[in-house]
Amino acid sequence: DAKTTQPPSMDCAEGRAANLPCNHSTISGNEYVYWYRQIHSQGPQYIIHGLKNNETNEMASLIITEDRKSSTLILPHATLRDTAVYYCIVRPYNNNDMRFGAGTRLTVKP
Amino acid sequence: DAMVIQNPRYQVTQFGKPVTLSCSQTLNHNVMYWYQQKSSQAPKLLFHYYDKDFNNEADTPDNFQSRRPNTSFCFLDIRSPGLGDTAMYLCATSREAESNQPQHFGDGTRLSIL
Repeated sequence: DAKTTQPPSMDCAEGRAANLPCNHSTISGNEYVYWYRQIHSQGPQYIIHGLKNNETNEMASLIITEDRKSSTLILPHATLRDTAVYYCIVRPYNNNDMRFGAGTRLTVKP
Repeated sequence: DAMVIQNPRYQVTQFGKPVTLSCSQTLNHNVMYWYQQKSSQAPKLLFHYYDKDFNNEADTPDNFQSRRPNTSFCFLDIRSPGLGDTAMYLCATSREAESNQPQHFGDGTRLSIL
């Protein structure tokens, strides 16, 4: 079973920041938080991952709470092309097992 | 440029007729994975290869098998497909199994069993 809980759907206005929450209250010390997204009819696309520090790349920022029980993916300026299902996945360092949960369907509206 | 390539993108086959899906990669990654994604569901790992070592998930049906003849290619064979095997099949790669390296996915093959 997936170790994460995400809201099933969210809307965001184009140009605004999209903040996608994820709860992973049973996360272990050696487990990373990964975010992927899947645009319709495409394979999942890697976005970002982190262990305990906040991370930023060209696509997004990942904010992990100090107790590591939850995280937020931030798309700073959402565009229509960011409409997708976003998956938050907890994965141990030494295990390739990617257990996808149901994800959040983000709809960016004009 | 596509780095994980799946062919074909769409495949239709008859109930019980064997089918093979292919995946190739230009990343020279050690690990290749196959996932099944049914309609409106999340991807589910079927098995993976770490180099030539095959690792099967416990609940993957015996009907599903895989071959990896070399680093670049991996095949998914479904020996006797049933209607319930209609799904998107996704191939992914990663540099190592025991690391924090992300997986890179292809765009999948959408398989329909009639």
